Amino acid sequence: NAGVTQTPKFRVLKTGQSMTLLCAQDMNHEYMYWYRQDPGMGLRLIHYSVGEGTTAKGEVPDGYNVSRLKKQNFLLGLESAAPSQTSVYFCASTGGQGIGTDTQYFGPGTRLTVL
Amino acid sequence: AQSVAQPEDQVNVAEGNPLTVKCTYSVSGNPYLFWYVQYPNRGLQFLLKYITGDNLVKGSYGFEAEFNKSQTSFHLKKPSALVSDSALYFCAVRDRGSSGSARQLTFGSGTQLTVLP
Repeated sequence: NAGVTQTPKFRVLKTGQSMTLLCAQDMNHEYMYWYRQDPGMGLRLIHYSVGEGTTAKGEVPDGYNVSRLKKQNFLLGLESAAPSQTSVYFCASTGGQGIGTDTQYFGPGTRLTVL
Repeated sequence: AQSVAQPEDQVNVAEGNPLTVKCTYSVSGNPYLFWYVQYPNRGLQFLLKYITGDNLVKGSYGFEAEFNKSQTSFHLKKPSALVSDSALYFCAVRDRGSSGSARQLTFGSGTQLTVLP
């Protein structure tokens, strides 16, 4: 049981390049999230998904797109990277139907630098 | 809207002393509250949560937190700090009555805990 995994772990892009970050979870969770972490700002929600085939915007969605074609995978895309997107990106998931099943489980993160 | 405040960017404590990391929250209804810990170059790890019931919640690694509804606080505590507790700690909240089913959490800005040997 690997939990939540993210690929790649590190990436350096040039301004204008594109890339896709992959998140995978093996806990059969319905809900998945993409966050970015910047110093002094905590975690900010980029996009999220409440189930296969669904996506929605979070707090800071501009410049990012997502897809959830399979329940276990949640992809984050940057179509034209900008230096402001230099950050650490975390994926999380949660599931269950009962009260108190809100705990989000996080992946190890992807450190992205845009030059 | 829901929000979380962690008023201290940095907390320093000597090993063996008690530690407290502060968190206050704002929600329109009743809260679900969480503490997470992040070690360097790692993802966030779940420590504990308050859902309902007993106001004192016990979690991993000897940590506990007390829910105080009147003060809208959920401070993280540990009776005796270890050097290995040094990490970044995040408080998070969700309004139990929030509309929709996205289960979104709002995180504080984080508190860096340093335990000095």
